[in-house]
Amino acid sequence: DIQMTQSPASLSASLGETVSIECLASEDIYSYLAWYQQKPGKSPQLLIYAANRLQDGVPSRFSGSGSGTQYSLKISGMQPEDEGDYFCLQGSKFPWTFGGGTKLELK
Amino acid sequence: QVTLKESGPGILQPSQTLSLTCTFSGFSLSTYGMGVGWIRQPSGKGLEWLANIWWDDDKYYNPSLKNRLTISKDTSNNQAFLKITNVDTADTATYYCARMNIGTTTGVMDAWGQGASVTVSS
Repeated sequence: DIQMTQSPASLSASLGETVSIECLASEDIYSYLAWYQQKPGKSPQLLIYAANRLQDGVPSRFSGSGSGTQYSLKISGMQPEDEGDYFCLQGSKFPWTFGGGTKLELK
Repeated sequence: QVTLKESGPGILQPSQTLSLTCTFSGFSLSTYGMGVGWIRQPSGKGLEWLANIWWDDDKYYNPSLKNRLTISKDTSNNQAFLKITNVDTADTATYYCARMNIGTTTGVMDAWGQGASVTVSS
């Protein structure tokens, strides 16, 4: 199975701060990488797919980048509504696997 | 508008079979490129992908559940199903179904249901 190592496990950001979350795959996943946001008690919401494609309706302050085994999610200007858990997902090879998650809080 | 809703037994006993139903609208599982996946999340923990079924009836399973999974669909009634046999307490989780669309989002889950809580307890 492809292992997805996500970091950091948690972080705290100030309003307007730029935040980055990383996912490292155990092998090349050819940009088949998605990012999800999950708020408490809610289901995950797709933010980014194909490593850098912004899902319809997602604010442009979210962006994704990376290739091969290294990927990142950037939030350019932290907003209160961005608090929550973030997960990466590799869809390159079955079984699909998620990163362990990052809890993002507003400082 | 794409919506999905999971339904299940809520509580069941160890060794029983868990049967989950995903009822959806806004897309058809007979349309090229469409699929439904199942994912679970134990309380306070991360996400685990379980299985996918596609418009052409192609199916994929997570081998970590050791052949306990069966995914199926009823295209006429816009439903997908997941069965997990021989459950134990480790299967206690919120179970989500989600839509996948190869044509627009490279097949990853782009719309999720609200989740169904399942507790396995004697």
